[in-house]
Amino acid sequence: AQSVTQPDIHITVSEGASLELRCNYSYGATPYLFWYVQSPGQGLQLLLKYFSGDTLVQGIKGFEAEFKRSQSSFNLRKPSVHWSDAAEYFCAVNTNAGKSTFGDGTTLTVKP
Amino acid sequence: NAGVTQTPKFQVLKTGQSMTLQCAQDMNHEYMSWYRQDPGMGLRLIHYSVGAGITDQGEVPNGYNVSRSTTEDFPLRLLSAAPSQTSVYFCASSLPGRAAEAFFGQGTRLTVV
Repeated sequence: AQSVTQPDIHITVSEGASLELRCNYSYGATPYLFWYVQSPGQGLQLLLKYFSGDTLVQGIKGFEAEFKRSQSSFNLRKPSVHWSDAAEYFCAVNTNAGKSTFGDGTTLTVKP
Repeated sequence: NAGVTQTPKFQVLKTGQSMTLQCAQDMNHEYMSWYRQDPGMGLRLIHYSVGAGITDQGEVPNGYNVSRSTTEDFPLRLLSAAPSQTSVYFCASSLPGRAAEAFFGQGTRLTVV
């Protein structure tokens, strides 16, 4: 069965510092991978997705993620974090028929 | 551009009461889903639908009922509310295919006392 693991429950970074959020997946076939962001009291919004081609994908708000098949990982990165990036981040894998499996999420706190 | 609209935003129920959470989308998406979000547990799929008249169970379907009579609407019914159903509920819609992103509503925060 498919699964997604986000090893870090909570991460704190200083404003302007770089960020990496980890995501590991388990899926038998070619994975269709997504990162979503959830601001407090809001629904989830897509940051970026990967399903084929270049393994480094660019998303909105300056985020990027790299797919590494050998490590079953799809880590999210940002070179310089802004205070407005404080939110909860979810990694997900799409299986079929509109079904997504989500990780437990990583909460990002940004220190001034 | 309304997207996915959920009502109500907040609800308090007494144990044993029933209610329906509403979800409507205006993007003509075939796929719709209901998730519940609990602290530290991510989003778990309750029910989903791949088109009008077609629904199926997700990971945690017990205590919930759905139907899909139109493309636009996908209501979630709680048959007899229990405190374990206290959660934040999200409705999502998407186009067909595994590469399609999900579009989420803003959620319904439900408390069962």
